[in-house]
Amino acid sequence: QSALTQPASVSGSPGQSITISCTGTSSDVGGYNYVSWYQHHPGKAPKLMIYEVSNRPSGVSNRFSGSKSGNTASLTISGLQAEDEADYYCSSYTSSSTLVFGGGTKLTVL
Amino acid sequence: QVQLQESGPGLVKPSQTLSLTCTVSGGSISSGGSYWSWIRQHPGKGLEWIGYIYYTGSTYYNPSLKSPVTISLDTSKNQFSLKLSSVTAADTAVYYCASGLGPNDAFDIWGQGTMVIVSS
Repeated sequence: QSALTQPASVSGSPGQSITISCTGTSSDVGGYNYVSWYQHHPGKAPKLMIYEVSNRPSGVSNRFSGSKSGNTASLTISGLQAEDEADYYCSSYTSSSTLVFGGGTKLTVL
Repeated sequence: QVQLQESGPGLVKPSQTLSLTCTVSGGSISSGGSYWSWIRQHPGKGLEWIGYIYYTGSTYYNPSLKSPVTISLDTSKNQFSLKLSSVTAADTAVYYCASGLGPNDAFDIWGQGTMVIVSS
């Protein structure tokens, strides 16, 4: 199963909104509503930000939102803050009954 | 608040077995609902799901892994473990343990990860 495709990097200024895409196929992202997003500050434990495409776990800021269209899922962060600077990974369930991750996107807050 | 912590050797020789343990605190590994999982990240690369074990003992592994995998539970110690046999340099990675919401769902709690280098 190939990894999901994410942009290597995105950037934005404080207060702006950014969107990170996660492209798969009809055998993963497009076929199931089991897409999740993780925030990872290097050296720390990854943190779940979005699960099942658009659900936010308790305690995650409502500045983070998720959506999906066809084979592409998206994570949008609004009102960008310095602490949002991190690596972001998407994940999806697949038709092979496995879980596959994206290659990761480095978010830089300018 | 459930927390996870990985432990194990940081250096393993090629062809040997990589063994890691994840200690669960703040909750019982036998309480059900969580899919206790292992995930790894090769240097400079993305994440790779290795497999999970449920509190009943049922397991599921990523069939694309080249090294044989075993995940087991030790309910008396509130731990679960990973064994990767006949490792090669390609198994060098940061290994994370995590708690899954379901067999096909997100990982809501992660450990900080432990680096394992496979080298003679």
